[in-house]
Amino acid sequence: DTGVSQDPRHKITKRGQNVTFRCDPISEHNRLYWYRQTLGQGPEFLTYFQNEAQLEKSRLLSDRFSAERPKGSFSTLEIQRTEQGDSAMYLCASSYTLPRDGNYNEQFFGPGTRLTVL
Amino acid sequence: AQSVTQLDSQVPVFEEAPVELRCNYSSSVSVYLFWYVQYPNQGLQLLLKYLSGSTLVKGINGFEAEFNKSQTSFHLRKPSVHISDTAEYFCAVSDLANNDMRFGAGTRLTVKP
Repeated sequence: DTGVSQDPRHKITKRGQNVTFRCDPISEHNRLYWYRQTLGQGPEFLTYFQNEAQLEKSRLLSDRFSAERPKGSFSTLEIQRTEQGDSAMYLCASSYTLPRDGNYNEQFFGPGTRLTVL
Repeated sequence: AQSVTQLDSQVPVFEEAPVELRCNYSSSVSVYLFWYVQYPNQGLQLLLKYLSGSTLVKGINGFEAEFNKSQTSFHLRKPSVHISDTAEYFCAVSDLANNDMRFGAGTRLTVKP
């Protein structure tokens, strides 16, 4: 399967613990996005990378959240000191986009990681 | 910044009936418009998109949508639904650089036999 993959698919943790999620984009896609989707809502943009550079971060991304894409391939999203309000589906998407390219480039979504904080 | 409003949170409909899922957007700049479908425990799948040109856009699974700039709407339609169309549907808008996609809250379509 050459689509976007995410690991784990489900994570249950206790409040205060740290969690880390991984996203593997489609090969050769240079842009990678993270979204959060809470129950009954649409996905909300968190951050995105162009290769290894993190170019934009939403104000939703508090200082407990950190994302990395060290080699411009897979990415990790870490949440420190989890809170019950962090319970959500975390979606990753990737696309191939040239810098300052005004053309459309489809984002392909992974299956998501569902986080439950007890 | 752009935003999206999906006017119906739930739409129940009988099999083989037509359906329309409504979406309005707000933006001060030119945008792209999308409809995505999400089945339980799965990621998002692109149904169709409006980039430019013809305002009537056809997508997968028999869905179509019409871009109406004056009404800032992008309603999704299907003339005859199937049980398998039961899912959550999201309307989305992005700027032309496609790096800030905003989604609506979703419409749950339930097709009943």
